This record gives sequence, C-alpha cells and structure tokens, in this order.
Amino acid sequence: KAGVTQTPRYLIKTRGQQVTLSCSPISGHRSVSWYQQTPGQGLQFLFEYFSETQRNKGNFPGRFSGRQFSNSRSEMNVSTLELGDSALYLCASSLWDRGFNYGYTFGSGTRLTVV
Amino acid sequence: ELKVEQNPLFLSMQEGKNYTIYCNYSTTSDRLYWYRQDPGKSLESLFVLLSNGAVKQEGRLMASLDTKARLSTLHITAAVHDLSATYFCAVHSGGGADGLTFGKGTHLIIQP
Repeated sequence: KAGVTQTPRYLIKTRGQQVTLSCSPISGHRSVSWYQQTPGQGLQFLFEYFSETQRNKGNFPGRFSGRQFSNSRSEMNVSTLELGDSALYLCASSLWDRGFNYGYTFGSGTRLTVV
Repeated sequence: ELKVEQNPLFLSMQEGKNYTIYCNYSTTSDRLYWYRQDPGKSLESLFVLLSNGAVKQEGRLMASLDTKARLSTLHITAAVHDLSATYFCAVHSGGGADGLTFGKGTHLIIQP
C-alpha cells in the first residue's frame, strides 16, 4: 500500500513569505503529526491532527499552523518565514484503534530553505 | 517535561565489532521507538517496544526496554558498513497524543 506522501520535496522561500506543506497519510490512518528537524534542535514535535481536530501542539510560535481535511490529508502553514525556519519538515501517519497507537510511519519530508 | 538522552552521540567503529547505544528518558512512558535515518532521508522505523523487558531483534540489531530504569538499548552485533546511519530513540508519555520526544540521535559510522 502507498506510504506517506509529502509535497513538495524541496522549497526555497524568502524571509517574510509564507509557505504551505502537504501530507497525505497512509490510507485508513486518521492521525497526522508534524515534526521539524534542524541540526541544532534535532527533531521537534509541531502538532498532531486526528479526524480534522488538532489534538496537541508542541512549543512553536503561532506562525506555525496546520489543518486536516476530511480525507485525512493535512497541511501545515508557516507564515512570516524566518531564516531559522529552514529545516526538514516531516509528517508522520499513524493508526489509532480504541485508544491504542500502532506506531508512526514517516514521509520523505519537505526540505525548506529560507533565504 | 519529558527528556530523552542518547549516548553516545557519535560512534565510529570497525566492521565485525559489537556495540550498544543507550537511551534514557525522564518520565514514565508506555512505549519506546527506535528509528534509523540515512543522510538526507526520512525516518525508518526499526522497533516499537511496548512493555518492560521487551526485546526485539532484526538482523544484527537488537533492542530492549527496561521501563523501571527508563532505559532502552540498541545493540549492534558484528557491525557491517550498511548499518552506518543516525539512530534515534523516541518516547511519548501515556496516551501518545502529545507527540514523540526524540533523543538527539547517535551518528554511527562503521568502517571496513
């Protein structure tokens, strides 16, 4: 079955712009979570969506936002880009059943460069 | 606040040798994950450890979990060059709806 699909793979944006990243989870998975990976801070949790609702949010400023659609596809948006937002953004798809998480499958990521 | 510490952060070893990567976490968690990441690539799931005393093996890699000590180990047996990668452990606290907290990763280089 198809894995987790993230688009685009690479992006170059200018400071002050905004960007939208997309993630399509594995079919049947209703949970999508987002992570930021940088050399300095490592892997950090951004937020998780389940059935179109944000369930939890990491410690990131309000410039980072997301949403999930009825088909479970998710988007994250970063507004007013800063140089420090340059990172690999990873999305993870997971299957939840009766309160049990069956693990996370990660997409290939979107490499964002802010210049 | 949940903290996850891995050590070592960098490891260079020769093929054929054995070594262990350690992962300590600061608060109670109901499961622990190990991932592998190759340069420029995404995270590949290696193991999910669900209970105290859990041990899982896949090829030359074996992972174990001691929930009382809040410690997991990833043991590499008779290392081969193809195992060169960065290895991450990750934990989430009970319920799992608060995202994963990752260690900083262990950059493993295996030299012929």
